[in-house]
Amino acid sequence: SQQGEEDPQALSIQEGENATMNCSYKTSINNLQWYRQNSGRGLVHLILIRSNEREKHSGRLRVTLDTSKKSSSLLITASRAADTASYFCATDRGGGYKLSFGAGTTVTVRA
Amino acid sequence: DTGVSQDPRHKITKRGQNVTFRCDPISEHNRLYWYRQTLGQGPEFLTYFQNEAQLEKSRLLSDRFSAERPKGSFSTLEIQRTEQGDSAMYLCASSPSEGLDEKLFFGSGTQLSVL
Repeated sequence: SQQGEEDPQALSIQEGENATMNCSYKTSINNLQWYRQNSGRGLVHLILIRSNEREKHSGRLRVTLDTSKKSSSLLITASRAADTASYFCATDRGGGYKLSFGAGTTVTVRA
Repeated sequence: DTGVSQDPRHKITKRGQNVTFRCDPISEHNRLYWYRQTLGQGPEFLTYFQNEAQLEKSRLLSDRFSAERPKGSFSTLEIQRTEQGDSAMYLCASSPSEGLDEKLFFGSGTQLSVL
């Protein structure tokens, strides 16, 4: 079963705008990760945030984690056409080997 | 570092046939994973290897599915007597087993269509 749920399911924005997507999960976690998937391809790791961290940045990406609400958000700033993809959150409940993925948010960036 | 390689990229088969997929992980990675992804969904865990040992199998992995990783290098996933419900993208991933915070490196997947 999938633990994470992303919201919204789909998002369409203009190039240069920011994109925000949220992830909620059900059980306690060791860390939470975000991945990107271009159509018909494999997933690419974007960023990992540990359960004792609240915010993390990587380039144009900003991730927050609220363990009390069991939720995370991913912000992509100054979006580009190349950011068009599906974004998945994945939770690691410990052991580091079995990630549970949500159903993803499909982001379309219009030029 | 050539990344995780999967073969074939696409497989079309008739119901009842057997199929086998291959995954070559990143060479120094000890851990290898198989996931299955259906349209509009995220990947679902199938099984996991630490070197050559298969340490966990999901309940999703019926008796028709078998995975091997001989010598702890490449891995194969075989599906016997395929059913239409097996149609999905089969993703392989590997990780270096450096600690608790593992990030996975995925291959491009094998898209299976069962007619």
